[in-house]
Amino acid sequence: DAKTTQPTSMDCAEGRAANLPCNHSTISGNEYVYWYRQIHSQGPQYIIHGLKNNETNEMASLIITEDRKSSTLILPHATLRDTAVYYCIVRVIGTASKLTFGTGTRLQVTL
Amino acid sequence: EAGVVQSPRYKIIEKKQPVAFWCNPISGHNTLYWYRQNLGQGPELLIRYENEEAVDDSQLPKDRFSAERLKGVDSTLKIQPAELGDSAVYLCASSLLRSAETQYFGPGTRLLVL
Repeated sequence: DAKTTQPTSMDCAEGRAANLPCNHSTISGNEYVYWYRQIHSQGPQYIIHGLKNNETNEMASLIITEDRKSSTLILPHATLRDTAVYYCIVRVIGTASKLTFGTGTRLQVTL
Repeated sequence: EAGVVQSPRYKIIEKKQPVAFWCNPISGHNTLYWYRQNLGQGPELLIRYENEEAVDDSQLPKDRFSAERLKGVDSTLKIQPAELGDSAVYLCASSLLRSAETQYFGPGTRLLVL
């Protein structure tokens, strides 16, 4: 699985959009971009995934660049409950393969 | 629908003692994963089951770790004997084999070895 690079930490004011970047310059054509988050003392939680088109669900939006070498997770209106570590993972879809987590981005949402 | 259940949530033992963790996956999920998460790091896979079969145990330290998934439902991960470096959070996750986009994680068991 391709390696990803994320900033160590970010801050965001409550109610504002949180934009979390991820670089995955060695991504292969059959690898998807996944985002998980881990709130303190909980297990990781799936957020969203995509191949090359932008994706949106009730939790977030995923913007993938045309060359697929980077992506951005957008939380449109961050709340205090969105404070967590966010992991960007690239993975071949269609298999029950492992998730290879990095160290993620620690997002702190403040009042 | 109940999520992935793990027990115990916390465990403190002395080194060289045995310890076991239990996981009950989401009903109908035939793929089960055990991950270990060290402090400040992301989770790392220890073993993956498809039904009763361990299909990826390459990262499981087999000299002291063992796992089983009898009847292809719940699973137990054991450490014997525990070492100081085994202190970590042990996470269980499950997914459907044919649509494995989403792995659902339990809350984890936090192990402290003294």
